[in-house]
Amino acid sequence: QSVLTQPPSVSGAPGQRVTISCTGGSSNIGAGYDVHWYQQLPGTAPKILIYGHNNRPSGVPDRFSGSTSGTSASLVITGLQAEDEADYYCQAYDNNLSGSRLFGTGTKVTVL
Amino acid sequence: QVQLQQSGPGLVKPSQTLSLTCAISGDSVSSNTAAWNWIRQSPSRGLEWLGRTYYKSKWYDDLPIYVKGRVTISPDTSKNQFSLHLNSVTPEDTAVYYCARSIMGAAGYFDYWGQGTLVTVSS
Repeated sequence: QSVLTQPPSVSGAPGQRVTISCTGGSSNIGAGYDVHWYQQLPGTAPKILIYGHNNRPSGVPDRFSGSTSGTSASLVITGLQAEDEADYYCQAYDNNLSGSRLFGTGTKVTVL
Repeated sequence: QVQLQQSGPGLVKPSQTLSLTCAISGDSVSSNTAAWNWIRQSPSRGLEWLGRTYYKSKWYDDLPIYVKGRVTISPDTSKNQFSLHLNSVTPEDTAVYYCARSIMGAAGYFDYWGQGTLVTVSS
């Protein structure tokens, strides 16, 4: 099964900028498919944070932004806040596995 | 506002069939613009998409190759809900199971989620 690889953890002090990477391949991110990002707080379902590379649903602060380059994508949190401490997942379509929707391995963001 | 409410048992015996239901409010399972998905999450496998059902003049389902033969996802238009059936379960199928809506399109994202159901496979 194809994989979208993320760092297990990143951390930063309040107000800092943190970046979470999501590395895929030629059958998913590299093929130009949209990358989406989710935030998951403990004990809750994932919540859509960024869709279609860099679109935010209503209510998501503009300190969250996404970008894509080649076979990788990134989520940037600018001005980290205590309530941003959560798990983050990227997600993309993969044309190699009967149209599978792949999730990233997940990144735990810790606010120091 | 779309809401998804999951129901089903939290304990299933090995070799049996896991069955969960997701009741939809604020949208229709027969919508031409949405698809209805099942996703699971476990420490060993992370988040894993199990498939979807959708209506576009007739009913379709998309199942990833790694679950084909074990998973059935079916709509119930009379109750505006859809179900997951996963057969021949093993302890590896222990996970939190979520239903979720996605907007039609190959790269559609999951915009509404159910509350999650922890299913344990154990005798």
